[in-house]
Amino acid sequence: DAKTTQPPSMDCAEGRAANLPCNHSTISGNEYVYWYRQIHSQGPQYIIHGLKNNETNEMASLIITEDRKSSTLILPHATLRDTAVYYCIVRATDKLIFGTGTRLQVFP
Amino acid sequence: DVKVTQSSRYLVKRTGEKVFLECVQDMDHENMFWYRQDPGLGLRLIYFSYDVKMKEKGDIPEGYSVSREKKERFSLILESASTNQTSMYLCASHRPGSPPYEQYFGPGTRLTVT
Repeated sequence: DAKTTQPPSMDCAEGRAANLPCNHSTISGNEYVYWYRQIHSQGPQYIIHGLKNNETNEMASLIITEDRKSSTLILPHATLRDTAVYYCIVRATDKLIFGTGTRLQVFP
Repeated sequence: DVKVTQSSRYLVKRTGEKVFLECVQDMDHENMFWYRQDPGLGLRLIYFSYDVKMKEKGDIPEGYSVSREKKERFSLILESASTNQTSMYLCASHRPGSPPYEQYFGPGTRLTVT
């Protein structure tokens, strides 16, 4: 299973776009990229996933590079409630392997 | 909505005690998972179960056991709690065949072993 690398922390001003990067240089062809987030004192929450193409849903957008070795989660208009730890996961099976994630702090 | 509940949000136990952490899901999911979460280490998989009475070791099973007697309930057991098992414990459930990202988590149990 591919290993992921994320920056430990990031800051973002409220109302601005938050761009969270993830490197997964050893990703294989059948592995999806998933993003979860965990707000303090809650369980992880699914955000979005993708295989090759860019994806968008009501929560976020996911941009995957053409070589699939990295991706970026975009929260287009961050709010204070988006303050959380964001996990990038690369996996092909039912088991999810979480890394240490990026702690995003949204400030007023 | 999928609901995964855990028996306690906070638990304090003494070293050597036997500890039961209960997880119940109401969506008839076959797959259930137990993770622990520690600062700087992220979430790590302890055990998982694909069906009643079935269990498989995750990445850090030492010091833990599990029980799956009913489909909706997955219990994590610490036979003799130790201080290094102080952690946040998270349970999750998932339906086989659905995308792996559709893994739903409970709110967590913060266990302190003194």
